[in-house]
Amino acid sequence: SQKIEQNSEALNIQEGKTATLTCNYTNYSPAYLQWYRQDPGRGPVFLLLIRENEKEKRKERLKVTFDTTLKQSLFHITASQPADSATYLCAQESGYALNFGKGTSLLVTP
Amino acid sequence: DAGITQSPRYKITETGRQVTLMCHQTWSHSYMFWYRQDLGHGLRLIYYSAAADITDKGEVPDGYVVSRSKTENFPLTLESATRSQTSVYFCASREDRGQDNEQFFGPGTRLTVL
Repeated sequence: SQKIEQNSEALNIQEGKTATLTCNYTNYSPAYLQWYRQDPGRGPVFLLLIRENEKEKRKERLKVTFDTTLKQSLFHITASQPADSATYLCAQESGYALNFGKGTSLLVTP
Repeated sequence: DAGITQSPRYKITETGRQVTLMCHQTWSHSYMFWYRQDLGHGLRLIYYSAAADITDKGEVPDGYVVSRSKTENFPLTLESATRSQTSVYFCASREDRGQDNEQFFGPGTRLTVL
């Protein structure tokens, strides 16, 4: 069955640096991947979608890439800020629903 | 309130009791979803619904029942709660033909089964 894998280890970076989070999938390429942000005690919030035929997508300080050869999506936050500290979830389309990765916790320290 | 709401936000119950978690959205979105989130497992789909009176199983449906008599409501019932159903439950919705197919999540219900 299709799996979505994210690095389970927390990522700690210094303010101002670029954070890079990885999402790998197995088997077939999904039609699209989505990235969500989740703060403690809250529901996930949608950030970006990237389609299979798009190599890169940007939104303000966020950038997502989709490499079908590597079966991987990278999520970048440039000029990171402490307010970016959260858990970031990768999700692939699965029919009408989504199949989520377990998420990667990001901590940005001043 | 506009958006998607869940109630209760916190619930403690005992093994064997029936529990219903409520979900309400004000956007008239066609699709609604129930997920559970546990440490080490991430978000897992329990049930989803494509429209009123249309529901289907997700990855972990055992022990749960859903109904959708109205577009805006999608209650989740645990018929006989078990300790393994202790979790945080999230309801979500999305448009039928949204540009990004984004799902909008509720604030979650933290359920503890003793």
